[in-house]
Amino acid sequence: AQTVTQSQPEMSVQEAETVTLSCTYDTSESDYYLFWYKQPPSRQMILVIRQEAYKQQNATENRFSVNFQKAAKSFSLKISDSQLGDAAMYFCAYNYGGSQGNLIFGKGTKLSVKP
Amino acid sequence: NAGVTQTPKFQVLKTGQSMTLQCAQDMNHNSMYWYRQDPGMGLRLIYYSASEGTTDKGEVPNGYNVSRLNKREFSLRLESAAPSQTSVYFCASSYRDRRLASGANVLTFGAGSRLTVL
Repeated sequence: AQTVTQSQPEMSVQEAETVTLSCTYDTSESDYYLFWYKQPPSRQMILVIRQEAYKQQNATENRFSVNFQKAAKSFSLKISDSQLGDAAMYFCAYNYGGSQGNLIFGKGTKLSVKP
Repeated sequence: NAGVTQTPKFQVLKTGQSMTLQCAQDMNHNSMYWYRQDPGMGLRLIYYSASEGTTDKGEVPNGYNVSRLNKREFSLRLESAAPSQTSVYFCASSYRDRRLASGANVLTFGAGSRLTVL
């Protein structure tokens, strides 16, 4: 069974600094997708970034980038120049190609940003 | 665009009462999902519907029923609510991104519904 593990229940970063959130996953599939979702206090789930497993190049979206290590089954999220608005729960999620689209989520990391 | 709309946003029930959570999407997506979110548990799939007229169980289906009324609407029903069903419920819909090999499903979520069962 596929599983997603986020080993950091809480993280803290100083405003304008860089923080990395960890995620590991377990799968026997070769074709799959990985996502990071942000959930601010409003509860809304917001897609931050996604990575296709067949791509070796790490995905980037403005201040957000990932370090995808397929052999190690690791998918970390780096937030550069952290802003107060980045404070939220962050969920790592997995979806394998050909599925009905179901996402398997990790338990989340609560990120605090200190001014 | 409204995206995915869930109602109600908050609900308090007594044990044994029934209720239906409504979900509608205006993005012409084929697939729709119901998740529940509990503290420290992430989101877990209750039921999903790959297309109009089909529904399938997810990870935690017990105590719930669903109806895919049409392409836009996917409702979740609690027939006899229990305190263990106290949670935040999310509806989502997805399209298949054909730009990606095999086509990944990109999910859009509703704002969530907080349900408390006393």
